[in-house]
Amino acid sequence: ILNVEQSPQSLHVQEGDSTNFTCSFPSSNFYALHWYRWETAKSPEALFVMTLNGDEKKKGRISATLNTKEGYSYLYIKGSQPEDSATYLCAQVAGYALNFGKGTSLLVTP
Amino acid sequence: NAGVTQTPKFQVLKTGQSMTLQCAQDMNHEYMSWYRQDPGMGLRLIHYSVGAGITDQGEVPNGYNVSRSTTEDFPLRLLSAAPSQTSVYFCASSYGLAGGGSLYEQYFGPGTRLTVT
Repeated sequence: ILNVEQSPQSLHVQEGDSTNFTCSFPSSNFYALHWYRWETAKSPEALFVMTLNGDEKKKGRISATLNTKEGYSYLYIKGSQPEDSATYLCAQVAGYALNFGKGTSLLVTP
Repeated sequence: NAGVTQTPKFQVLKTGQSMTLQCAQDMNHEYMSWYRQDPGMGLRLIHYSVGAGITDQGEVPNGYNVSRSTTEDFPLRLLSAAPSQTSVYFCASSYGLAGGGSLYEQYFGPGTRLTVT
């Protein structure tokens, strides 16, 4: 089982702050990395699937980068809004399966 | 499209009872999977299927059975419920022919909250 780690475990920022969190994963036999946003009482929704070293993807105020050689990915949120409050999950592809990290819980207060 | 649907939303079982959690998708996805979510543990893969008639075990398969007789449906059976199976269960599906489903974004169902007393 691949060990996917996310940090920090939780984060509390003020509206308008920019923030970022980290997903670390084993760099050997890399196939792809997923990012999901999971709001309370809902189900996870896909943000990005990243495959190439150096890749950067963006969706609105959220962006992600990938370093497969050193085994990490960063998720950035620019100008956080209360509606960004959620748990952000990353998952590494391991063959036919996905191994999820435990997530970073983000709270954005007005 | 309804996407991924799961029934029931909530269920309470007594130890030793059996039940089936239903999962269906209407997106013609080949890849389907079941996860359980426990506090402090994150999502853990129970079983997955890369297509009709093909299933395999994930990280935590003990106590669960699956089958995939159609592309649309992927039920999860609890054979003899135990308190350790108290959890929230999520079904997910994605594109991906020839077993490549894990490389595509997963579409999750709304979840089933199961309590075993």
